[in-house]
Amino acid sequence: KAGVTQTPRYLIKTRGQQVTLSCSPISGHRSVSWYQQTPGQGLQFLFEYFSETQRNKGNFPGRFSGRQFSNSRSEMNVSTLELGDSALYLCASSSGRDGYTFGSGTRLTVV
Amino acid sequence: GDSVTQMEGPVTLSEEAFLTINCTYTATGYPSLFWYVQYPGEGLQLLLKATKADDKGSNKGFEATYRKETTSFHLEKGSVQVSDSAVYFCALSASNSGNTPLVFGKGTRLSVIA
Repeated sequence: KAGVTQTPRYLIKTRGQQVTLSCSPISGHRSVSWYQQTPGQGLQFLFEYFSETQRNKGNFPGRFSGRQFSNSRSEMNVSTLELGDSALYLCASSSGRDGYTFGSGTRLTVV
Repeated sequence: GDSVTQMEGPVTLSEEAFLTINCTYTATGYPSLFWYVQYPGEGLQLLLKATKADDKGSNKGFEATYRKETTSFHLEKGSVQVSDSAVYFCALSASNSGNTPLVFGKGTRLSVIA
C-alpha cells in the first residue's frame, strides 16, 4: 500500500512569509502527527490530529498551526516565518496499533 | 516529563563489527519503545519496537530488549554492513494505543567502512 506522502519535498521561503505543508497518510490511518527536525533541537513534536480534531499539541508558538480534512489528509501552516523555522518537517500517520509510519519530509529553508 | 537519552555519536565501525547503541529512558508508567533509522535525505523508518518489559524487538539483524529494571533499550547488531550507515533514533511513546506523541533521543550517526 502507498506510504505517507508529503509535499512539497523542498521549499525556500523568505522571512515574514507563510508556508503550508501537506501530508497524505496511509489509507485507513486516521491519526496524523507532525514533527520538526533540526540539527540543534533534534526531533520535536508539533501536533497530532485524529478525525479532524487536534488531539495533542507540542510546545511551539501559535505561528504553527495545522488542520485535518475528512479524508485524513493534513496540512500544517507556519506564519511569519523566521530563520529558525528552517528544518525538516516530518509527518507520521498511525492506525493506533502498529506505531507510526513517517513520510520523507519537507525541507523548509527560510532566507 | 518523559525523555530518552542515547549515546552520542558519531560511531564509526568496520564492516562485520559488532554494534551497540545505548538508549535509556525516563517515563511514568510503561511506555512502548522504538528504534527508528534515518538514511540520508529521507524520513524515519521504523526499525523495531517493543511494547512491554522483556520484549525483544528484532528486524534486519538488529535487536533490542526492553529492560524495565534498567530503563534501557539498547540496539545491537552482530555484524554491520556498509548499508547500515545511517542515523539511529531511540524513541518512546507513553501509550500502546498510538495516541501519544513520540519522544525521541538526539540520534546516533553510524558510519560503517569497508
